Parts: sequence; C-alpha cells; structure tokens
Amino acid sequence: EIVLTQSPGTLSLSPGERATLSCRASQSVSSSYLAWYQQKPGQAPRLLIYGASSRATGIPDRFSGSGSGTDFTLTISRLEPEDFAVYFCQQYGSSPRTFGQGTKLEIK
Amino acid sequence: EVHLVESGGGLVKPGGSLRLSCAASGFTFINYSMNWVRQAPGKGLEWVSSISTGSSYIYYADSVKGRFTISRDNARASLYLQMSGLRAEDTAVYYCARSDGGFDYWGQGTLVTVSS
Repeated sequence: EIVLTQSPGTLSLSPGERATLSCRASQSVSSSYLAWYQQKPGQAPRLLIYGASSRATGIPDRFSGSGSGTDFTLTISRLEPEDFAVYFCQQYGSSPRTFGQGTKLEIK
Repeated sequence: EVHLVESGGGLVKPGGSLRLSCAASGFTFINYSMNWVRQAPGKGLEWVSSISTGSSYIYYADSVKGRFTISRDNARASLYLQMSGLRAEDTAVYYCARSDGGFDYWGQGTLVTVSS
C-alpha cells in the first residue's frame, strides 16, 4: 500500500499570498497518477489536478501541480477567499487508491 | 451535465446490512470505472472500492474486504455497494465517484450510521 503524507497539516495564509502544499508518497507513484482535491465543509470533494500536473475542467490557472516519483506539490499562486478549504492528494495508479490525510488551508 | 446521486444510507445496528445505490446520468455510464469513497465524521477521505467498466476488475480496501460487495448495472446506469457485518467504524458519508484521470465527478454522499 502506498502511504501518502501531506504537509503541513494546517497552513495559515492571507488572501493574495502563495500557498504551497506537499504530498509525499511512501513509494513511487506509477505514471504520476497523482490527483489533488479541494473540499469545503458540507460538500463533496472537487477534483483540481490529475496526472500530477493537469488541471481538471473549469479549474482556475492559479492552481498548479508538480512533481513525480514520491514528491508532489500543489501550488495556489494568489489565494482567493474561496480557496480556503481542505486539500487532499490521492494516488490512483495502484490499489488501494490511497488518500493523504489532508491539509487545511485557513485564513490568517 | 454529469450527475451522481447516492441513496440507501441510514441508521443500522452493528452486524446489520445496508445496500447503497448511486444513480448516474449525463454521461455514458458503461464507459467509466466507478468508485466508492467514504468519510467518517470530521475525518479524511478513505477509498472503499472500485469496479471496472465491465465488472471484470474489482478492488476493495482491506478494511471492508469480505464484508462489502461492489456491483454495477450498466443497463440501469447504477452503482451499488452491499454492506454487511457493519461496525461502528463504518459510520461515514459514502460517496460514489467516477474515474477519469482521478475521480472527476462525485455525488453528494449518503450518511451511514452504525449504532445500537
């Protein structure tokens, strides 16, 4: 099983700042099958990034993903008020399709 | 527009059974693998099970293997999760999600509560 570890657990930033979220895998993620999701309270998760760096349909270009192998990063270039939420990474290249524990992005 | 609508959640006693359904619309259901993901109250996401387009490939999390059964009816564009031997730790919102470069569409979820 591939274990995904996200850091930090909580990130406190202000609107307009840059956010950098990390996801580290216990073993290499095949073919960069790494996704990022955003979840707001009471809502289902929303796919932001797939294939480590491809933006999903309708996702603003301030969201970007990078990385390969075992180290992946989600970057939000300039935070908007609606970006404060919980973010999860997931690997879907092998079973079980594991999720990270999440990073809470909160307003400073 | 893609829609996934879960149903079948509710309160069940430990050891009991429940069948969840997910009705899909707005896309050609037979072309996509499907998944169940759950989220315990205040916790993170946990992948539960996946099923391929023709049901040939089925995978389960170790935590539910032997107790849960995923299935699909392509003619009805529906996904199912038969849950038995339910435990308190199975209490969660259960989401169905479509596979396409990650899980690209999710339902709103259905709450399963296991309690005596």
